[in-house]
Amino acid sequence: GENVEQHPSTLSVQEGDSAVIKCTYSDSASNYFPWYKQELGKRPQLIIDIRSNVGEKKDQRIAVTLNKTAKHFSLHITETQPEDSAVYFCAAIHFGNEKLTFGTGTRLTIIP
Amino acid sequence: NAGVTQTPKFQVLKTGQSMTLQCAQDMNHNSMYWYRQDPGMGLRLIYYSASEGTTDKGEVPNGYNVSRLNKREFSLRLESAAPSQTSVYFCASEVGGLTEAFFGQGTRLTVV
Repeated sequence: GENVEQHPSTLSVQEGDSAVIKCTYSDSASNYFPWYKQELGKRPQLIIDIRSNVGEKKDQRIAVTLNKTAKHFSLHITETQPEDSAVYFCAAIHFGNEKLTFGTGTRLTIIP
Repeated sequence: NAGVTQTPKFQVLKTGQSMTLQCAQDMNHNSMYWYRQDPGMGLRLIYYSASEGTTDKGEVPNGYNVSRLNKREFSLRLESAAPSQTSVYFCASEVGGLTEAFFGQGTRLTVV
């Protein structure tokens, strides 16, 4: 089955700097890669996603890149703000399998 | 439109007791999931259901059973609770076409 590895487990950055979180996946058939943000005590919520026919996707200060050959994808947050402090999860799934598998999460702390 | 609703929000069980966690969604989604979240372990899939009438094991199914009662409802049962099942449990649903998964608010379960 699919195995998703996520690094780093914790990340601290100065406010205004950029943050990068990386994930690798094992199932070459996976074709959908969402990222979820979980604030303290809240439920995970989707912030951005990418499909396997696209190499990069941006939404304001966040972007995701996908390298299908290497089977890894990354989340990039620019101009970080205190409200970006949260736990971020990557995930992978392929159509027909319906088994949404998550990475172990990255706790991002923005230092004012 | 309530989204995904889980009950209860909090529960304390004694070792050996049984209970059922309820989950219902009103978005006409085909896929539903049960995850457990433990510190440093991310979101681990317990069971999932790709459609009404089907269920499949995830990464950590031992000690749990599920029922996809109808398209709306997906319940998780602990037959004989153990302290190792102390965790936060999340139910999620997704339309079934590689799109956003929506999570319930979570159930914090403590087994003493």
